[in-house]
Amino acid sequence: DAGVIQSPRHEVTEMGQEVTLRCKPISGHNSLFWYRQTMMRGLELLIYFNNNVPIDDSGMPEDRFSAKMPNASFSTLKIQPSEPRDSAVYFCASSSSGGAGTDTQYFGPGTRLTVL
Amino acid sequence: AQSVTQLGSHVSVSEGALVLLRCNYSSSVPPYLFWYVQYPNQGLQLLLKYTSAATLVKGINGFEAEFKKSETSFHLTKPSAHMSDAAEYFCAVSDRGSSNTGKLIFGQGTTLQVKP
Repeated sequence: DAGVIQSPRHEVTEMGQEVTLRCKPISGHNSLFWYRQTMMRGLELLIYFNNNVPIDDSGMPEDRFSAKMPNASFSTLKIQPSEPRDSAVYFCASSSSGGAGTDTQYFGPGTRLTVL
Repeated sequence: AQSVTQLGSHVSVSEGALVLLRCNYSSSVPPYLFWYVQYPNQGLQLLLKYTSAATLVKGINGFEAEFKKSETSFHLTKPSAHMSDAAEYFCAVSDRGSSNTGKLIFGQGTTLQVKP
């Protein structure tokens, strides 16, 4: 299995530009999670989907952030416009949620975003 | 609601010494608990999980954790530290109030340093 795939692995952009991060979950997994990790704030859950439907987006910092999951094999996290404080490592994770709460989340390698 | 608290943001041990990373949980229902490890520049990966079977759980790389309900703890241990164990470790509890869609609530993480 290829695991969770994220692209790009590194992104450097200028303030005000639009940034799109991409994630391909493990085939057959029905839950997908977007996290952000910084030194100051640690690991934060931004949003998660179950069966392609957003369940909880309360972690999305503001309206500049949006996420979509058009199908079971693809999700995007978009920042528009980007700001320097968005600089972080963004992780995507997926799990096969059988409803018992015992599921392992599998993390991708992350996208390191730098906003200048 | 569920939560976890990791005691100590940094732990330093000598190679060959006992590793003890502390995690306490709060949960209104029987918890499902996880330990994840993050090596530098990588995503998180599962070390072990407790799902209400045996209270002593063995994981990868010689790690184990013991669920103690009376102490609301799930501490991670390894008898003898290796240089390759240097990483950040996260304790997590399954958010069983979210319709069991696989959401995990992570602690703030503990950085383990292993000295030669």
